[in-house]
Amino acid sequence: GNSVTQMEGPVTLSEEAFLTINCTYTATGYPSLFWYVQYPGEGLQLLLKATKADDKGSNKGFEATYRKETTSFHLEKGSVQVSDSAVYFCALVDTGRRALTFGSGTRLQVQP
Amino acid sequence: DGGITQSPKYLFRKEGQNVTLSCEQNLNHDAMYWYRQDPGQGLRLIYYSQIVNDFQKGDIAEGYSVSREKKESFPLTVTSAQKNPTAFYLCASSIVRTEQETQYFGPGTRLLVL
Repeated sequence: GNSVTQMEGPVTLSEEAFLTINCTYTATGYPSLFWYVQYPGEGLQLLLKATKADDKGSNKGFEATYRKETTSFHLEKGSVQVSDSAVYFCALVDTGRRALTFGSGTRLQVQP
Repeated sequence: DGGITQSPKYLFRKEGQNVTLSCEQNLNHDAMYWYRQDPGQGLRLIYYSQIVNDFQKGDIAEGYSVSREKKESFPLTVTSAQKNPTAFYLCASSIVRTEQETQYFGPGTRLLVL
């Protein structure tokens, strides 16, 4: 079956540091890939997505590239802010059920 | 404003009691989903529905039930058979079309057992 593996957190960075959160997946075919962000006590917000190999999703300074060869979709940001502190989830869509399979989430803490 | 609403924000359940969580969307989306989130974990699929009057079990459906009588609404009932219901419940919706599968989430309902 499908699965998503994320690096464990928490990830603690100073403001303006470079961020990488690793995500690898196992799936049949080439499903669309997503990054969602969750702030405390809230639902999930879509951060970015990529629908096919070599696509790069980007939003609010975050980027991730769909790498078919390494089955990866790592999240990056060049300079994090305190306001980026949240939990980040990598996910893929099950093409049959059209439901999402999530990684376990990575908590990011950015210190001023 | 279009979006997904969930109510209540907090819900308390007594032993042996059934409780129902509401989910409404005005995005005109065909598909709706319920996920459960436990602390420090990812989301797990409970039930999903791709069309009115039809729904399917997800990965952890035992102890839950749903209905889909209207396109806009997908209520989830947590029955007394669910022995560990304390969790954060998230509802989502999407268009059912390839490359348009982005799911949009509601704000969630936190269920606690008294």
